[in-house]
Amino acid sequence: DIQMTQSPSSLSASVGDRVTMTCRASQNIKDYLNWYQQKPGKAPKLLIFAASDLQGGFPSRFSGSGSGTDFTLTISSLQPEDYATYYCQQSYNVPVTFGPGTKVDIK
Amino acid sequence: QVHLVESGGGVVQPGRSLRLSCTASGFTFSNYGMHWVRQAPGKGLEWVTLISHDGSNTVYAESVRGRFTISRDQNTLFLQMNSLRPEDTALYYCAKDRGISGSYPLGPFNYWGQGTLVTVSS
Repeated sequence: DIQMTQSPSSLSASVGDRVTMTCRASQNIKDYLNWYQQKPGKAPKLLIFAASDLQGGFPSRFSGSGSGTDFTLTISSLQPEDYATYYCQQSYNVPVTFGPGTKVDIK
Repeated sequence: QVHLVESGGGVVQPGRSLRLSCTASGFTFSNYGMHWVRQAPGKGLEWVTLISHDGSNTVYAESVRGRFTISRDQNTLFLQMNSLRPEDTALYYCAKDRGISGSYPLGPFNYWGQGTLVTVSS
């Protein structure tokens, strides 16, 4: 199975901050890496797919990069509505696996 | 507008069975693969199983293989859960694949339901 790790597990940031989080796969997954945003009590939402493609409905302050085993999600200027947990997921092979998540909260 | 609505969750004793349903609308259901993903209370996301657009391909996580069965009919996705264990306690989400899920790599999960809670406890 492909193991996914994320760092940090949590971070505190202020509105307007640039926020970066990373995701690492245990083997080469090319660009089959997706990011999901989950707010408390809500279902996850697809945020970024294919490592860098922004899902419709999300603002351009979100961006993704990387390929192979190392990936990054960046929020260029954190907004109040961005406080959430972010999960990476590999869809390269089965079983599909998720990272443990990065929780972004208010500083 | 894509809409996924799960139902069938509840409290069940260990060893018993439960059948979850996910009713889909707003897209051509037979064109897309579907997944079940679960989330234990306060924990992360765990993929459970997938079914291809035509039902010909099903895959299970090791943790549920041999106990859970995914199926689909018309505009509804099902998850038959047998021999339930306390560690199966979770919020169960159905999710739509962006592709057909007939081969790998898979697509991202571009729509999710709101989930149905399964609690396995004596």
